[in-house]
Amino acid sequence: DAKTTQPPSMDCAEGRAANLPCNHSTISGNEYVYWYRQIHSQGPQYIIHGLKNNETNEMASLIITEDRKSSTLILPHATLRDTAVYYCIVRPRDNYGQNFVFGPGTRLSVLP
Amino acid sequence: NAGVTQTPKFRILKIGQSMTLQCTQDMNHNYMYWYRQDPGMGLKLIYYSVGAGITDKGEVPNGYNVSRSTTEDFPLRLELAAPSQTSVYFCASSYGGLRETQYFGPGTRLLVL
Repeated sequence: DAKTTQPPSMDCAEGRAANLPCNHSTISGNEYVYWYRQIHSQGPQYIIHGLKNNETNEMASLIITEDRKSSTLILPHATLRDTAVYYCIVRPRDNYGQNFVFGPGTRLSVLP
Repeated sequence: NAGVTQTPKFRILKIGQSMTLQCTQDMNHNYMYWYRQDPGMGLKLIYYSVGAGITDKGEVPNGYNVSRSTTEDFPLRLELAAPSQTSVYFCASSYGGLRETQYFGPGTRLLVL
């Protein structure tokens, strides 16, 4: 059962920043926050992950609140190709820790 | 590197037939995974493997079997196909460790009639 909650859908204008929120109020101290996206019919694509510090890479920025109970994925200049379902995932803390639980995600539509 | 490859891309099965979905990765990753994704839903983990010869059940293993005889290959077997197994199947791999990133294949679309 998913440990995160995300809005089911969002719209963003092309060229503007897309800010996708995620709540993970039960996150544990050693659990990371991962973001993946899935463009229609393709396999999920890794975007970014973080523990407690803000992170940035060539695709996006990840802002994690100080209490770690929520985070925001930021696509700084959204393009039409960023239209996809975005998944926020908290990695469970079982011994193997291999399970990535993908919830329904947020369907982001970038509009021209 | 080709990354994670899956075959076939699409298959139609009759109820009760069997088939094997193939998955190969060329990144020398220790960990491999099989997920299924039903329409409009997130992914659910079927089986995973932490290395050659080691496999374990995920969230929805019933009706499937896996084997891992080599690091590169992780086939998924459906023995008696059922309409409930109509789905898109994704294979993934990762290097390992607490902060590993999973890399996904393009998927196999399966229709059971």
